[in-house]
Amino acid sequence: QVRVVESGGGVVQPGRSLRLSCAASGFSFSTYAMHWVRQAPGKGLEWVSLISFDGTNKYYNDAVKGRFTISRDNSRNTLYLQMNSLRTEDTAVYYCVGQEVFGVVPMGFDFWGQGTLVTVSS
Amino acid sequence: DIVMTQSPLSLPVTPGEPASISCRSSQSLLHSNGYKYLDWYLQKPGQSPQLLIYLGSNRAAGVPDRFSGSGSGTDFTLKISRVEAEDVGVYYCMQTLSRITFGPGTKVDIK
Repeated sequence: QVRVVESGGGVVQPGRSLRLSCAASGFSFSTYAMHWVRQAPGKGLEWVSLISFDGTNKYYNDAVKGRFTISRDNSRNTLYLQMNSLRTEDTAVYYCVGQEVFGVVPMGFDFWGQGTLVTVSS
Repeated sequence: DIVMTQSPLSLPVTPGEPASISCRSSQSLLHSNGYKYLDWYLQKPGQSPQLLIYLGSNRAAGVPDRFSGSGSGTDFTLKISRVEAEDVGVYYCMQTLSRITFGPGTKVDIK
């Protein structure tokens, strides 16, 4: 049974930092690309960041580049998102998502967690 | 960035009737490998999104065959052959060709 569980969300002041974690099980985590996708309250979906299966390639939305860092620990089946210099516009539910990739062909965002809410407010 | 648009943004549907959602991209999503890098997701009320269709026309595991996806390089369509009450929610298209972007979403509810 696939499980994707995010943690680490909460209320934080602008300019501060937060680290999100995502524990995955029930699928071959070390062979999956992993993403963070966020959803501001009442809004649509926004892709945040991608890390390749082995952690060698990382990509970011321009809105978070230079402030957020994605990483993974395949020995612990865990994905992370270090968020620095947080802004009020970063307030959102953050989803951890697994994606199978065959060569360079992406198979869709298969596995989604329930999300963790990050609120940036003074 | 590739801009994704959807129409309509709101779609009242009648159970048992067909429904269709359009998605358009600002650039072709046809990769040189022949695949169309366009997925469809459904976010049911209070739930996380779920994958429906990947690479333009491939149904994800467990997705009912009343859902189908089609399209060319820039124009894509999600069709529901006979809507069921459980199909309500927000439907998103998403491109993965370059810097992943989502469409604004189409809210489907029962008339």
